[in-house]
Amino acid sequence: DTAVSQTPKYLVTQMGNDKSIKCEQNLGHDTMYWYKQDSKKFLKIMFSYNNKELIINETVPNRFSPKSPDKAHLNLHINSLELGDSAVYFCASSPAPRHHNSPLHFGNGTRLTVT
Amino acid sequence: AQSVTQLGSHVSVSEGALVLLRCNYSSSVPPYLFWYVQYPNQGLQLLLKYTTGATLVKGINGFEAEFKKSETSFHLTKPSAHMSDAAEYFCAVSDSGGSNYKLTFGKGTLLTVNP
Repeated sequence: DTAVSQTPKYLVTQMGNDKSIKCEQNLGHDTMYWYKQDSKKFLKIMFSYNNKELIINETVPNRFSPKSPDKAHLNLHINSLELGDSAVYFCASSPAPRHHNSPLHFGNGTRLTVT
Repeated sequence: AQSVTQLGSHVSVSEGALVLLRCNYSSSVPPYLFWYVQYPNQGLQLLLKYTTGATLVKGINGFEAEFKKSETSFHLTKPSAHMSDAAEYFCAVSDSGGSNYKLTFGKGTLLTVNP
């Protein structure tokens, strides 16, 4: 199936740990994103990569480091996890940035719980 | 900067009743507008989008939305609610220019459908 897939679906960890979330898309899109959805369901963009190049960084703490080994993958590494990092993290993709009218395709999310 | 306001964080309707979810946007350039739906523990799915042309847009599952520039609105409607429509709905806006592309989401409206 063509899709945006992210792993793991659930991630429970303790404060101070380092964890990674992986995302892959097989839609042939050039642009990938990470969004954070908080407990009130508010969605906020964190990062955007176009063909492995960072193009949007929305003032995210530098404990969060995205990595894009190729345009089909965008991983998110989080250092020194804090309680406030608990949220659902969504990966998404879209065609090249100039296609402003193209919708985003979302993965099913990774629910991160920091205890 | 673009923004979206969804009026009403929670809308409750009876099965078979009209569904109306409100969205107002702010954008300094002609906007592209989207409605997404999120079912529990899932990612976001595109319902419909407005880019240019016809201001009444039809989407999946019987939903439609009308772009009203004079009112800066893009309200989502469905003539007859089904139990399966119960979900969180998000309105989103992107700008129609610039080198970077990101969607800015509203805070969501939870739709509950009563039997």
